[in-house]
Amino acid sequence: NAGVMQNPRHLVRRRGQEARLRCSPMKGHSHVYWYRQLPEEGLKFMVYLQKENIIDESGMPKERFSAEFPKEGPSILRIQQVVRGDSAAYFCASSPETISGSNEQYFGPGTRLTVT
Amino acid sequence: GESVGLHLPTLSVQEGDNSIINCAYSNSASDYFIWYKQESGKGPQFIIDIRSNMDKRQGQRVTVLLNKTVKHLSLQIAATQPGDSAVYFCAETPSGGYNKLIFGAGTRLAVHP
Repeated sequence: NAGVMQNPRHLVRRRGQEARLRCSPMKGHSHVYWYRQLPEEGLKFMVYLQKENIIDESGMPKERFSAEFPKEGPSILRIQQVVRGDSAAYFCASSPETISGSNEQYFGPGTRLTVT
Repeated sequence: GESVGLHLPTLSVQEGDNSIINCAYSNSASDYFIWYKQESGKGPQFIIDIRSNMDKRQGQRVTVLLNKTVKHLSLQIAATQPGDSAVYFCAETPSGGYNKLIFGAGTRLAVHP
């Protein structure tokens, strides 16, 4: 049973380019979450999606960042016109239909974005 | 605002000793808590969770204690092993919000032989 898959694992972009990060949730999971982690810091929530719906994007920067989770295919986190401050590890997590009292999220290995 | 913080940024222990990692949270309405372990270069790995209607939960070599009165969470690791060396994060879910996790800053656990 494959876990959460993310690709690429490492991504280098020059300032001004676009970055696309992909996440395939665990089989049977319909909820996807994106988090950002700076070195030596905790993870910060960015966005929560279900198939074809953005449920909570309260942690997403207002500009340049977008996320989607189409009916078919992986979830995509897109960063346009990247800047050096976007350099971080981006983690995707997935969970099954949420059950009252549980929010166990399973994390992927992350994508490490470096902006030069 | 909501926040989850840790008392100790680093913890060094001898192999075989018990480890205790602490966490304070500020949102008294949070009703679900998780401990994650993160090894270098990897994603967080679920360790154990606890709901707010419990004050203790045990797993394999790990125990989580929840004290709602003082809004304190702890992770106890019995007979710590070198493989336990990692950064440990506590995370909370706000009441009714079974979506985002709010993570603390993390505690680095170093196990010495």
